[in-house]
Amino acid sequence: DQQVKQNSPSLSVQEGRISILNCDYTNSMFDYFLWYKKYPAEGPTFLISISSIKDKNEDGRFTVFLNKSAKHLSLHIVPSQPGDSAVYFCAARTPGGSYIPTFGRGTSLIVHP
Amino acid sequence: DGGITQSPKYLFRKEGQNVTLSCEQNLNHDAMYWYRQDPGQGLRLIYYSQIVNDFQKGDIAEGYSVSREKKESFPLTVTSAQKNPTAFYLCASSPTLGETQYFGPGTRLLVL
Repeated sequence: DQQVKQNSPSLSVQEGRISILNCDYTNSMFDYFLWYKKYPAEGPTFLISISSIKDKNEDGRFTVFLNKSAKHLSLHIVPSQPGDSAVYFCAARTPGGSYIPTFGRGTSLIVHP
Repeated sequence: DGGITQSPKYLFRKEGQNVTLSCEQNLNHDAMYWYRQDPGQGLRLIYYSQIVNDFQKGDIAEGYSVSREKKESFPLTVTSAQKNPTAFYLCASSPTLGETQYFGPGTRLLVL
């Protein structure tokens, strides 16, 4: 049973436009959310995170929005650049237990020049 | 230059053979993890270690074994009991359990 869902396996965007990557979760106990970026044949790298006490976190071109009532978060990339082409994983963590995040299946973003 | 290294980049396994994937970190992190990634799948946790000489099973530990004799090293053995070992294996570490993880470059395991 997937607790973190990324329902769009891929997304194609024009350079300079906004990329919006979506993530839904089912476990209401999740209190910390992360986005990782992964290039082919490389390990994921941490991109941005958000705590459940916030609804928005911004870092340069990357902004994550959290809607707790809808159990939904999204990653906005503005403006999108060809170098942003990668697989983006959403991950979520509960406050108890091992604290190890649960990952979604990823969304492959392609930014066209 | 701190980081996580995994070797080899590609590994071939024959039927019935055990193989060991290496993971080394010089970040002085206490926690280390092994994940498996299959096409179209997320990262699934195989084993994790909170501290030296301690490790716990993750979601898909069957057919795998680990050891954590040194802080810097967390090797993963894929045993012959793992019936579908072909995958991309990722090692990660974090300062303590559950903190933001730093990933290695991965090892792709193929079965001959």
